[in-house]
Amino acid sequence: DQQVKQNSPSLSVQEGRISILNCDYTNSMFDYFLWYKKYPAEGPTFLISISSIKDKNEDGRFTVFLNKSAKHLSLHIVPSQPGDSAVYFCAARGTSNTGKLIFGQGTTLQVKP
Amino acid sequence: GAGVSQTPSNKVTEKGKYVELRCDPISGHTALYWYRQSLGQGPEFLIYFQGTGAADDSGLPNDRFFAVRPEGSVSTLKIQRTERGDSAVYLCASSPTSGTGANVLTFGAGSRLTVL
Repeated sequence: DQQVKQNSPSLSVQEGRISILNCDYTNSMFDYFLWYKKYPAEGPTFLISISSIKDKNEDGRFTVFLNKSAKHLSLHIVPSQPGDSAVYFCAARGTSNTGKLIFGQGTTLQVKP
Repeated sequence: GAGVSQTPSNKVTEKGKYVELRCDPISGHTALYWYRQSLGQGPEFLIYFQGTGAADDSGLPNDRFFAVRPEGSVSTLKIQRTERGDSAVYLCASSPTSGTGANVLTFGAGSRLTVL
């Protein structure tokens, strides 16, 4: 049973436009959510996170929104740049207060110049 | 070191052989994690070390998989009697457990294992 789901395997946007990546989860006990970005032949790199007590966290061009009632979070990238082209993973943490994360399947973002 | 280092980057082996994958975490990071990523999937948790001890090994798929971290730094993931289904990228990550960045994982580039 997939507890963290990214239902869109891929997304293509034009440079300068907004990219919106979505993630759904099933476990209401998750208390912390993270987004990682992965380039080919590299490990995932931490991008941004949000605690379950917040509904928005912003860092430069990246904003994560959390809707707890819908068990849904999204990552907004604006403006999108070609260098943002990568696989994006949503991850959730239970209440263990460790780095034990449950990852979604990933969404491949392509930003076209 | 500056980042998490994993060796080998690629390993091809035959079914039934024994494999060791090594991880050298960021200096000072007390927490170390092993994840496995199969094609088209996200990373899947295997085991977590806090210092030298395995604090959570609930993700290890079966008793063919074992990991050690004898001195609280370098860790080795050991796979016995490899099977074709073990083929995946094995990712190691480390993190501090207090202060800024606590529990935010820094991943290595991974070891790609192919079992023929």
